[in-house]
Amino acid sequence: GQNIDQPTEMTATEGAIVQINCTYQTSGFNGLFWYQQHAGEAPTFLSYNVLDGLEEKGRFSSFLSRSKGYSYLLLKELQMKDSASYLCAALDSNYQLIWGAGTKLIIKP
Amino acid sequence: SAVISQKPSRDICQRGTSLTIQCQVDSQVTMMFWYRQQPGQSLTLIATANQGSEATYESGFVIDKFPISRPNLTFSTLTVSNMSPEDSSIYLCSVAVGQDANTQYFGPGTRLTVL
Repeated sequence: GQNIDQPTEMTATEGAIVQINCTYQTSGFNGLFWYQQHAGEAPTFLSYNVLDGLEEKGRFSSFLSRSKGYSYLLLKELQMKDSASYLCAALDSNYQLIWGAGTKLIIKP
Repeated sequence: SAVISQKPSRDICQRGTSLTIQCQVDSQVTMMFWYRQQPGQSLTLIATANQGSEATYESGFVIDKFPISRPNLTFSTLTVSNMSPEDSSIYLCSVAVGQDANTQYFGPGTRLTVL
């Protein structure tokens, strides 16, 4: 079957760095997405990786290893506003998004 | 990206009634999706709505319960029919845009509570 695994919850300190991991098993693969979702709001697009390697976008970076079925989202210089759930989603061979359950990130001062 | 609006933003409904949720996009898009997200859960795809064809429903979702309209390339509706408390959820529409039409952007969601 198809499956996305990511930690349920993580805690980090303001100003620090945190890495949120995601492993996936899908029928075919056409890319890996990360979304941010604040409580009570809709998910917002953060990144898309389809090739191996690191994509950097400001304080956020996303990494993909297709051979390992693995991705991570790296958040630097954490701010209180980064407290949110981070959703990992893989695009399968039918171009359907398979969603992880999300990682709730708690930022402490 | 795309700007997406949904109406209503929230509603409280009685058991047995129906609610129609509207989704409006500021540009023409081929693929629109309807999701449900229950508290503390991830997104569950209800159906894919392409203009000019019948919506494609995911396992566990049927047209009689969740009829969908897609009259043009900027608009869609999802109706939650004969509601029960188990239908209480956030309903989200999204559109696929980008170079390969892979990236999905979401509307603000409709928070539905069924009493």
